[in-house]
Amino acid sequence: AQSVTQLGSHVSVSEGALVLLRCNYSSSVPPYLFWYVQYPNQGLQLLLKYTTGATLVKGINGFEAEFKKSETSFHLTKPSAHMSDAAEYFCAVSVQAAGNKLTFGGGTRVLVKP
Amino acid sequence: DTGVSQDPRHKITKRGQNVTFRCDPISEHNRLYWYRQTLGQGPEFLTYFQNEAQLEKSRLLSDRFSAERPKGSFSTLEIQRTEQGDSAMYLCASSLETGGHEKLFFGSGTQLSVL
Repeated sequence: AQSVTQLGSHVSVSEGALVLLRCNYSSSVPPYLFWYVQYPNQGLQLLLKYTTGATLVKGINGFEAEFKKSETSFHLTKPSAHMSDAAEYFCAVSVQAAGNKLTFGGGTRVLVKP
Repeated sequence: DTGVSQDPRHKITKRGQNVTFRCDPISEHNRLYWYRQTLGQGPEFLTYFQNEAQLEKSRLLSDRFSAERPKGSFSTLEIQRTEQGDSAMYLCASSLETGGHEKLFFGSGTQLSVL
């Protein structure tokens, strides 16, 4: 079985500051890793994904994440926060052998201060 | 717009009543997933279909829950004898399974409140 741990249920950053959201996963087979964003009253939107290949993955809205197998981590970063980044962010893992269903972390709510 | 539609957006019901939600996936997608999300938590997997076959059910899906995808297109999720603990957002997602990684597209969800 797979699992995901997101460290910090809430993160507060100043506009223009670095955004760092931490995600650690557990999987007995090579995983696929994802970050999703959820704005209020909206569905989940894919920010980026890692499947195979390059371990530094770039996504939408200036976000990127790095897959580190040795640390079982997939942290999400953005160099400069914007007010529009205020949302809830979910890290997720899936494996093909399990039907590609996603297992999500508990989420991190990001607050951006002006 | 992800293309996955869920109906209704909101449902308020009294404890003990039955409710049914509908999900219309993206038309060519052969896989359909149901998730439940409670306040402050990440979505939890409930069940998924490949075409009309229900391939997996989570232990979270008690006997009061049933899901169908009769013709491999839309899906329904029914909850019988609702309980206050069933209050949550019910999310549907669909994907096109091609033998490798697939991208899931999520709907906006149905928010259930059981009074």
